[in-house]
Parts: sequence; structure tokens; C-alpha cells
Amino acid sequence: SYELTQPPSVSVSPGQTARITCSGDALPKQYAYWYQQKPGQAPVLVIYKDSERPSGIPERFSGSSSGTTVTLTISGVQAEDEADYYCQSADSSGTFVVFGGGTKLTVL
Amino acid sequence: QVTLKESGPVLVKPTETLTLTCTVSGFSLSNARMGVSWIRQPPGKALEWLAHIFSNDEKSYSTSLKSRLTISKDTSKSQVVLTMTNMDPVDTATYYCARKLAPYGDDAGYFDYWGQGTLVTVSS
Repeated sequence: SYELTQPPSVSVSPGQTARITCSGDALPKQYAYWYQQKPGQAPVLVIYKDSERPSGIPERFSGSSSGTTVTLTISGVQAEDEADYYCQSADSSGTFVVFGGGTKLTVL
Repeated sequence: QVTLKESGPVLVKPTETLTLTCTVSGFSLSNARMGVSWIRQPPGKALEWLAHIFSNDEKSYSTSLKSRLTISKDTSKSQVVLTMTNMDPVDTATYYCARKLAPYGDDAGYFDYWGQGTLVTVSS
């Protein structure tokens, strides 16, 4: 079955830039979406269509795509950004949704 | 205002069948390019997509769980129901329902609204 691969953890100091990658063979054909999940809460969409930011999401969140890898970038990381981040996409047909394994962002 | 709310048992025994209901408001289950998925998350683990029902009543299921899952909807009641048979302790998880939009051609789309989730524990 189709999989998306994320690093388990990323650590940055406040004010630095965090980059979280997500790799999958079908990413050139399907958009990627990113969710932030804090403990005890449902996920929240932070990036859609590879690089678009929903209203209400701070400008420090951005997304990019290159071939089979997409990247979530958080510039000027703040303590409140500490959370788990999940990428989501689908197989090349768009039938089966898949989530990445999640990346725990730690703000040192 | 769009909301989704999951309901169902908090505890089920091994081998039993789980039935969860997602009650939605603020949109219709017949709206084109919208649908509802069920997603679960075992404690401390990643999100796992389970099943989806489209506005035209088409369904899709996780390949690994397809034999155990059934998704259905009652548009008049604004409810989506998921059944999972032969429950096992490894199925202990928070189960979420979420609205999926698919506005970009053949792209699968994304989840813009989620329920709060309901924790289901499988234990004898």
C-alpha cells in the first residue's frame, strides 16, 4: 500500500526555521496537505494544495513541493508551534487517502 | 457553522462489532465535492484513514481494513455511520470523523473540519 514518509522528530530553537519533509511516489500527481495536532486536540489544517495557507494560519507557515517530496517550513518558530505535524495526500488515483507517520516538532 | 460530532460506545469487547455515528451540521451530506471520512489514532501513534463516503454515496475503504469496515450515511438525519467488525485490542484508538473537500479535479482533497474524536477502548 502507498505510504508517505516523514522524519519522526525535528527540534529547533525559538526564532529558527523548522523544515519538515514528506516523501511519496504519488506526490507529483496528488497535492499534499499539512495538519498541526496538539495534545488532546483534533488536527488543524495549516497548508493545503502543497503551498496554500488557510485563513487564520500565521504567515510563518509555508509549504513547497519538489518532485516526490513536499516540505512544511515554519519560519521564526514560536513555542506555541510545538506539536505533531502530519502530511496527507492520496495514491495516484486519488481513491485512497494516506497520512504520513507524523513529525514531532520540539521547540528547545 | 460547520460541526461534526462522533458518538458511540467507549468500551467494546474483543470480537464485538463497533458502531460509530458522526452527526454533522452546517452542511448537507449531499453537497457535491464534499464527503465524510473516518480516521483513527491509537494512543501516541499516527493518524490512520479508515473510510470515506462521497455525496453520491460512493464509498472507499482502507485496503488493510476493508474486510471489516462498512460506511453508510443517512442524509435526512445528517449522519454518517461506521461499523467495524471483529474488534481487537489493537483497535483501541480515538476515532474521528472529518469533512473532506475535493475541489481540485482528481485530487483526493483535504479535511477542513474535524470532530472532537471519541476514544474507543477494546478490552474484555
